[in-house]
Amino acid sequence: DTEVTQTPKHLVMGMTNKKSLKCEQHMGHRAMYWYKQKAKKPPELMFVYSYEKLSINESVPSRFSPECPNSSLLNLHLHALQPEDSALYLCASSRTGTGVSGANVLTFGAGSRLTVL
Amino acid sequence: QQQVKQSPQSLIVQKGGISIINCAYENTAFDYFPWYQQFPGKGPALLIAIRPDVSEKKEGRFTISFNKSAKQFSLHIMDSQPGDSATYFCAASYTDKLIFGTGTRLQVFP
Repeated sequence: DTEVTQTPKHLVMGMTNKKSLKCEQHMGHRAMYWYKQKAKKPPELMFVYSYEKLSINESVPSRFSPECPNSSLLNLHLHALQPEDSALYLCASSRTGTGVSGANVLTFGAGSRLTVL
Repeated sequence: QQQVKQSPQSLIVQKGGISIINCAYENTAFDYFPWYQQFPGKGPALLIAIRPDVSEKKEGRFTISFNKSAKQFSLHIMDSQPGDSATYFCAASYTDKLIFGTGTRLQVFP
C-alpha cells in the first residue's frame, strides 16, 4: 500500500464550486508535490513545497491554490475550475526538496480523480 | 532540451517474452534516471533507477541499460508476466525537476 494518502479518491464539481483535495504522509518527508495527469499522458508538475514553503509553482492558474499546513499535510484548493481541469491529481513526497535522486525518491499517492462539469 | 523522448507508445508481448522500452534525452545536466510503473487508477510507483556513471542496473526481472554517450537508456523486462501489464514512464531529473517521458502502455498476454 502507498504511504501517501489522498482524499477524496473521486470528486465531481461544478464550475462555480469550491472544493479541496487533501494529501497526507507520515514518512517524515519534508518535500511535497502536486502533479496533474491527463488520460494517457505523463504527470505534470504543478507545485512543490519544501519545508512547508512553496518552492516551485509551474505557472499554474490561480484557480488552483496550494496550502501546506504542516510537514505531513498538503491541500489543493479548487475554485472556478474549467472542464479542461478534469484530470487525476497526484500528490507525492520526498525526503527533501533539494533534487530527486536515489537518496531522495518521489513517492506518489493513488491520486484524486477530478471531474469538472 | 528538457524533453525525454520515449518509445514505443504501446507494446504487446507474450507471456515469457522480453519487453523493451527506450528513452532518449538531450540535457546532459540530468543526473538521475528512474523508471515508474503505473497501474490503472493508481499513482506511479518507482520501479528501478540508475545514475549516469553506471551502464547497467538489474533488479530481479527488470534491467536498465544506460548509454551516456548516446544519451539513451532502456528498460528490459525479462520473462514478462500478465501482472506486468501497466504503463511505464521513464524520467530524468536535475535539481528539483523530474521530467517524465510520454509513457509506454505494456500489455502482456498469456
